[in-house]
Amino acid sequence: NAGVMQNPRHLVRRRGQEARLRCSPMKGHSHVYWYRQLPEEGLKFMVYLQKENIIDESGMPKERFSAEFPKEGPSILRIQQVVRGDSAAYFCASSPSGATNEKLFFGSGTQLSVL
Amino acid sequence: DQQVKQNSPSLSVQEGRISILNCDYTNSMFDYFLWYKKYPAEGPTFLISISSIKDKNEDGRFTVFLNKSAKHLSLHIVPSQPGDSAVYFCAARSGGSYIPTFGRGTSLIVHP
Repeated sequence: NAGVMQNPRHLVRRRGQEARLRCSPMKGHSHVYWYRQLPEEGLKFMVYLQKENIIDESGMPKERFSAEFPKEGPSILRIQQVVRGDSAAYFCASSPSGATNEKLFFGSGTQLSVL
Repeated sequence: DQQVKQNSPSLSVQEGRISILNCDYTNSMFDYFLWYKKYPAEGPTFLISISSIKDKNEDGRFTVFLNKSAKHLSLHIVPSQPGDSAVYFCAARSGGSYIPTFGRGTSLIVHP
């Protein structure tokens, strides 16, 4: 499967725990985007990364959220001390070079539920 | 402040008829527009795009129209099929930004 892979598909956490969401981009893609979809909402941009670099994190809450895309391995979105409001679908997308006229390829998402 | 607006949360259409999904934007710097389709429990998949230098782009049953002066674009699906039932997201990108901005989506239901 050469598509964008996200895992886990479903993640249940209790308030105060940590959530780690993983994303492996398509082969040959070096640009990763994370989006969040709250219930009844659209896709909200969170963070844009290249390998070992955060390019734009303007959509990510300043506290408790962090993201990385190491030289080796998947991109990780980390949410510390989760709260109920973090419950959402988190989508990762990738593109080859980040050019304006490139389309993004999305993974199937991780549904985070905070109890 | 929503820069990309899809004002119709839902649309219901009979099979074989035309579906028209609308999208408005406020940022005049947007110069590339995309439509994505999303089924439940799946990620969005790319459908069709249009650059601001064009006013129409066609791909099979799907056509996107862009009216820059009105800051409006629309997606036409002809003829509509039950398998087209999904949520459709409009997205826009500007030359100065790598990041597409998405609308809230329109849920299309095509009745057999």
